[in-house]
Amino acid sequence: EADIYQTPRYLVIGTGKKITLECSQTMGHDKMYWYQQDPGMELHLIHYSYGVNSTEKGDLSSESTVSRIRTEHFPLTLESARPSHTSQYLCASSETPGTGELFFGEGSRLTVL
Amino acid sequence: KNQVEQSPQSLIILEGKNCTLQCNYTVSPFSNLRWYKQDTGRGPVSLTIMTFSENTKSNGRYTATLDADTKQSSLHITASQLSDSASYICVVSDRGSTLGRLYFGRGTQLTVWP
Repeated sequence: EADIYQTPRYLVIGTGKKITLECSQTMGHDKMYWYQQDPGMELHLIHYSYGVNSTEKGDLSSESTVSRIRTEHFPLTLESARPSHTSQYLCASSETPGTGELFFGEGSRLTVL
Repeated sequence: KNQVEQSPQSLIILEGKNCTLQCNYTVSPFSNLRWYKQDTGRGPVSLTIMTFSENTKSNGRYTATLDADTKQSSLHITASQLSDSASYICVVSDRGSTLGRLYFGRGTQLTVWP
């Protein structure tokens, strides 16, 4: 069992609201990631971090922002949610050095009305 | 263009039967290939990771094969169970960056019927 947790699991909000998706891991992994996944589609990397105070944008452009103030915590924030942000958001971590195996959280399903 | 293609897109089998899922990739350079299982509404869980030098790896009833020459991989599921119903995702990592960029397939949706 992977020790990586995401909250909330499900969120339904109105347009224009600010939301933060939480992600925490207790494995001491330096690398953490946020992926976006739509039904039937591949995962797209939107943010990643090599460690504390390190954040980078991924392959898919996203209006969200992330922070990495503590090793175990990697929250994602949307300042003003829109219906186009409706998606499944998956947080993951991997150990360094290592195989690069990703450990995923259970995901946060966001619906913006 | 680096890509990962999976087939079939979806598959229905009866409980107890075997099945094989395919993954073709064009990612270069190549570092490793992973298979993940993703239950509906959950996060993916790793099944196997194979490097260039490995051509087969098993995890219980799951056996993955890799042919690095033809850039093909397969995931064979033996004696399927209802709990095998899930999406199976093939992921290929390159050596082109410190991050080891990952390329994801769209997955094969497997449904096991009783």
